[in-house]
Amino acid sequence: AQRVTQPEKLLSVFKGAPVELKCNYSYSGSPELFWYVQYSRQRLQLLLRHISRESIKGFTADLNKGETSFHLKKPFAQEEDSAMYYCALLSGAGSYQLTFGKGTKLSVIP
Amino acid sequence: DAGVTQSPTHLIKTRGQHVTLRCSPISGHKSVSWYQQVLGQGPQFIFQYYEKEERGRGNFPDRFSARQFPNYSSELNVNALLLGDSALYLCASSLLPGAYEQYFGPGTRLTVT
Repeated sequence: AQRVTQPEKLLSVFKGAPVELKCNYSYSGSPELFWYVQYSRQRLQLLLRHISRESIKGFTADLNKGETSFHLKKPFAQEEDSAMYYCALLSGAGSYQLTFGKGTKLSVIP
Repeated sequence: DAGVTQSPTHLIKTRGQHVTLRCSPISGHKSVSWYQQVLGQGPQFIFQYYEKEERGRGNFPDRFSARQFPNYSSELNVNALLLGDSALYLCASSLLPGAYEQYFGPGTRLTVT
């Protein structure tokens, strides 16, 4: 069974400081991983996915299969980054079930 | 396009009752997924439908059922409601099932008393 763990419920950083939101996964197959974000009073939306290896809003995430991690990083936090962040894993084998972690609330202090 | 829409926004039901939640996907999207989000937790997968067929089911009891209509809209039904069914129910649509971006609706807040 697949599992996604986000060990931090809340992360507070100062504006301009680096940010790292941790995500570890457990999955027997080849994982496809995503970061979703929910800003205040907005819908859950996709931030980035590992297969596209892109940087969105300055955020990057690298899949480390050895450590089974997919940490989200940004070198300089901005106030508008304050939001709830969810790591998610897509399982295949016909079901395409998206498994979410419990989420980390990022608070950027001005 | 208004994005994924869900109705109703809020709902209060009594234990033992039945509830139907509705979802309209983004135009052109053929796959719809349902999630339950309990306070303080991440969304938990309930169902995925594609071309009116169930393509995936999460670890939920048979009291939960869903269907997808020819216009790709979907309904989630929950029978014999329990207090523990109180949650935000999210619908997400995607072009196709699989590794495609899922677009989420605003959710339906269900309270069971």
